[in-house]
Amino acid sequence: AQSVTQLDSQVPVFEEAPVELRCNYSSSVSVYLFWYVQYPNQGLQLLLKYLSGSTLVESINGFEAEFNKSQTSFHLRKPSVHISDTAEYFCAVSVMEYGNKLVFGAGTILRVKS
Amino acid sequence: EAQVTQNPRYLITVTGKKLTVTCSQNMNHEYMSWYRQDPGLGLRQIYYSMNVEVTDKGDVPEGYKVSRKEKRNFPLILESPSPNQTSLYFCASSFRTLGEKLFFGSGTQLSVL
Repeated sequence: AQSVTQLDSQVPVFEEAPVELRCNYSSSVSVYLFWYVQYPNQGLQLLLKYLSGSTLVESINGFEAEFNKSQTSFHLRKPSVHISDTAEYFCAVSVMEYGNKLVFGAGTILRVKS
Repeated sequence: EAQVTQNPRYLITVTGKKLTVTCSQNMNHEYMSWYRQDPGLGLRQIYYSMNVEVTDKGDVPEGYKVSRKEKRNFPLILESPSPNQTSLYFCASSFRTLGEKLFFGSGTQLSVL
């Protein structure tokens, strides 16, 4: 079965520092990869996604993620974080061969400190 | 405004008392899904629906029912709630399925005593 592992449950970081949130998935077949963000007391919002093509995808608020097929990873990065980036981040994977299922990781709480 | 609307936002109930959480979307989406979110477990899919009158089980369907009589509505029914169903529930929808962005509701915090 498809699984998603987010290696860090919490990541504390100071404002303006770089951050990387790690995500690994188990499938070796073609996948679609997503990062969703959940701000306090809200639903999830799509941050970025990889379907095909360039392995580096970017979001409008400065985050980027790189698809690495050989390492089955899709780590999320930002070169300089803001207080407003404090949220929980979820990596998710869908695999065509497994039907209409989007499998989420357990989430990583990013805490940005001033 | 394009949105997924869930009600109620908070619900406290007792074991065995049937309840329904409503979900409605105004984007003419074909695909709708219910998730539960528990600390350390992320989101787990309960049920999903590809279109009207088409529903299927997700990873944790036990104790839940759904129906899709209209395209816009996808209610979640707990016939006999138990304390292990205390959780944060999210409804989500998308135009189609694989590769599409999911739009999430604001969530329903359910406590079963």
